[in-house]
Amino acid sequence: KAGVTQTPRYLIKTRGQQVTLSCSPISGHRSVSWYQQTPGQGLQFLFEYFSETQRNKGNFPGRFSGRQFSNSRSEMNVSTLELGDSALYLCASSSAGTRTLGYTFGSGTRLTVV
Amino acid sequence: DAKTTQPPSMDCAEGRAANLPCNHSTISGNEYVYWYRQIHSQGPQYIIHGLKNNETNEMASLIITEDRKSSTLILPHATLRDTAVYYCIVRVQTSQGGSEKLVFGKGTKLTVNP
Repeated sequence: KAGVTQTPRYLIKTRGQQVTLSCSPISGHRSVSWYQQTPGQGLQFLFEYFSETQRNKGNFPGRFSGRQFSNSRSEMNVSTLELGDSALYLCASSSAGTRTLGYTFGSGTRLTVV
Repeated sequence: DAKTTQPPSMDCAEGRAANLPCNHSTISGNEYVYWYRQIHSQGPQYIIHGLKNNETNEMASLIITEDRKSSTLILPHATLRDTAVYYCIVRVQTSQGGSEKLVFGKGTKLTVNP
């Protein structure tokens, strides 16, 4: 079956702009999580959505937001971009919030802010 | 903060077993140990997970000590394609019921040499 699809694969934005990233989870998966990866901070949890509701949120400013649609696809938005927002943004899906199931990650969106 | 500690880097000869250690001395009784790996510029890939018993799948074996304070991921016959960063993660139960996030540490950079 198809994996987790993230679009676009690469993106270049200017400081102050906003950006929207998209994630399509594996069919049937209702949980979608977002992570930011930078060389300095590594992989950090942004937020998780389940059945269109945000269930958990990491320690990021309010400029970072997200949503999930009824088909489980998710988007994340970053407003007023800063140079430090340059990162690989990863989306992960799972079929439920159970401990025994792993997360499947997409290939990520590489965002560069100039 | 990550609840695991791993050596920053390891080397292994192609065809030999790669043994990647992980310490998780504060693990709770109902927390699982998960291993993921990330090949350069791709999303993390699930490898294996376990609670108490040793586990094996087509990718690797996981050995968990009896006191559960440490574990070892074993790649029985490492190939060049196994060169990646390997993350050992303890599944963290957040304050919101049913919602979990992955807390990544720095991981171990495994280099498989020809």
